[in-house]
Amino acid sequence: AQSVTQLGSHVSVSEGALVLLRCNYSSSVPPYLFWYVQYPNQGLQLLLKYTSAATLVKGINGFEAEFKKSETSFHLTKPSAHMSDAAEYFCAVSEGFGNEKLTFGTGTRLTIIP
Amino acid sequence: DSGVTQTPKHLITATGQRVTLRCSPRSGDLSVYWYQQSLDQGLQFLIQYYNGEERAKGNILERFSAQQFPDLHSELNLSSLELGDSALYFCASSVKGVGEQYFGPGTRLTVT
Repeated sequence: AQSVTQLGSHVSVSEGALVLLRCNYSSSVPPYLFWYVQYPNQGLQLLLKYTSAATLVKGINGFEAEFKKSETSFHLTKPSAHMSDAAEYFCAVSEGFGNEKLTFGTGTRLTIIP
Repeated sequence: DSGVTQTPKHLITATGQRVTLRCSPRSGDLSVYWYQQSLDQGLQFLIQYYNGEERAKGNILERFSAQQFPDLHSELNLSSLELGDSALYFCASSVKGVGEQYFGPGTRLTVT
């Protein structure tokens, strides 16, 4: 069974500082991995995806994530935080064809300190 | 704007009632998913339809049912509602089964 663990339910960083949100996954097959962002009272917006191509994935709004099979990790980073990055971030895993549902982590709320 | 639409945006109803949530997928997307987001359970997969056929079931209660119509829109029916059914219900769609899913804005259900 697939699962996702997001370490840190709340992360605070100063504006301009590095953002690092952690995600570890478990999957019985090579996974498809996703990061989504949710702003207050809105739906989930896809930030980026890993689907077995390049291990370093670039997404929207300056975010990127690196797939590390040996560590079963898919951490999300952004070099310089902006106030508009304040939101909740979800890591999700899918096992692909035949099991396409997304299994989500519990989310990390990112706060940006001015 | 993801291209996925959901109606209504908000729904307030009483225990024991029945409601229908509607979802229109992005143009060209054949697969529709329903998820429930609550403080207790987080984001949980409920059910998936692909081109009109049920493809996968998750943690969906027997009181809940769904269908996908020939025009590919989908409806989630919730009956005998309980206070614990209060949650955000999201619909998502994808082109085929595999790949990224695009989420609608959600329907916030409040059961009183």
